[in-house]
Amino acid sequence: EVQLVESGGGLVRPGGSLRLSCAASGFIFSNYNMNWVRLAPGKGLEWVSSISSSSIYIYYADSVKGRFTISRDNAKNSLYLQMNSLRAEDTAVYYCARESDFDHWGQGTLVTVSS
Amino acid sequence: DVVMTQSPLSLPVTLGQPASISCRSSQSLVHSDGNIYLNWFQQRPGQSPRRLIYKVSNRDSGVPDRFSGSGSGTDFTLKISRVEAEDVGVYYCMQGTHWALTFGGGTKVEIK
Repeated sequence: EVQLVESGGGLVRPGGSLRLSCAASGFIFSNYNMNWVRLAPGKGLEWVSSISSSSIYIYYADSVKGRFTISRDNAKNSLYLQMNSLRAEDTAVYYCARESDFDHWGQGTLVTVSS
Repeated sequence: DVVMTQSPLSLPVTLGQPASISCRSSQSLVHSDGNIYLNWFQQRPGQSPRRLIYKVSNRDSGVPDRFSGSGSGTDFTLKISRVEAEDVGVYYCMQGTHWALTFGGGTKVEIK
């Protein structure tokens, strides 16, 4: 069974940093592209970033470019999102999702940016 | 970026009646490989999103056959033939043809 488990969310001050993790199991992680998507309060889903299976291709939404960094460790079956210079508008539940067509999603981790 | 416009924003439906959600893209979603990467997701209250339909009309495993997707080019539709109580939630379309990937704003389905 495919499982994606996010962690690392929490409360952080504006300007602060946070690192999210997504632990994958039930499939050959190194064969799949991976993504981060977020859902802000009262808003719709927003794609954040994607990384190819071997990390060669990486893409970011304009809203996070230059502040967030996506990475993965195929040996550890893990996906990461390093978030720097956080803003109030980054407050959201962050989900990891598998493959370019988002066939499986994790349960999400809440990031709250507030003073 | 490709703008995905969903309508309606809110959809009150009587149990057992059909429902239809429209999704329009600001440019063609036909990829250079010939595929159309248009997906539909359901997010029930308190749950993670779940994919229902991929590449316009392919239903995911375990998705009831009352859900169907159709469309081409820039105009797409998700239909529920007979709405059940478990269908309450927000539905999103998403295009995966062009970077940056983009979602529609969502359609909230509720029972009248």
